[in-house]
Amino acid sequence: EDQVTQSPEALRLQEGESSSLNCSYTVSGLRGLFWYRQDPGKGPEFLFTLYSAGEEKEKERLKATLTKKESFLHITAPKPEDSATYLCAVQANAGNMLTFGGGTRLMVKP
Amino acid sequence: ETGVTQSPTHLIKTRGQQVTLRCSSQSGHNTVSWYQQALGQGPQFIFQYYREEENGRGNFPPRFSGLQFPNYSSELNVNALELDDSALYLCASSLSGTGIYEQFFGPGTRLTVL
Repeated sequence: EDQVTQSPEALRLQEGESSSLNCSYTVSGLRGLFWYRQDPGKGPEFLFTLYSAGEEKEKERLKATLTKKESFLHITAPKPEDSATYLCAVQANAGNMLTFGGGTRLMVKP
Repeated sequence: ETGVTQSPTHLIKTRGQQVTLRCSSQSGHNTVSWYQQALGQGPQFIFQYYREEENGRGNFPPRFSGLQFPNYSSELNVNALELDDSALYLCASSLSGTGIYEQFFGPGTRLTVL
């Protein structure tokens, strides 16, 4: 069974304080790993897709990396508007569904 | 380009009732997936429709059923509602049901079962 675990569950940062969110996964053949941002009461917003170990993608203050067992979402000099829940999901070779982790709730204080 | 839309936004039902939720996919997308998200948890896959056929199903009972129409919009039907069905129901569309394609989510329908 595919499993995704995200840590920490919650993270409080001061504005400008860089950090990383972790996504560990167990999957029977990885097709893709996806990062989403979700604001309260809204649907997830797509951020990145990573396909193979060693791959990196960047968007503004966010950078996602992938190894064979985990992915990291690095947030550089975060701003209060980066406050949200960040979700990680995997798609396995066997199917079309996304298996999500529980998310990391990020709070950035000014 | 219109994104994924869902209706209604909020819904309150009582235990034992039936509910239908609707989703319009993003322009050019022929695949719709439905997810259930309980408060404080990640979304859980219910099922996917590709070109009007069910294309994968998660661990949900048969009282969760769906349809996809020729214009690729979709419905999620839940019969015999239970209290635990209270959740945010998310619809996501993608370019295809084969291969790896990003899934783009709608705003969700918040269902409360009393």
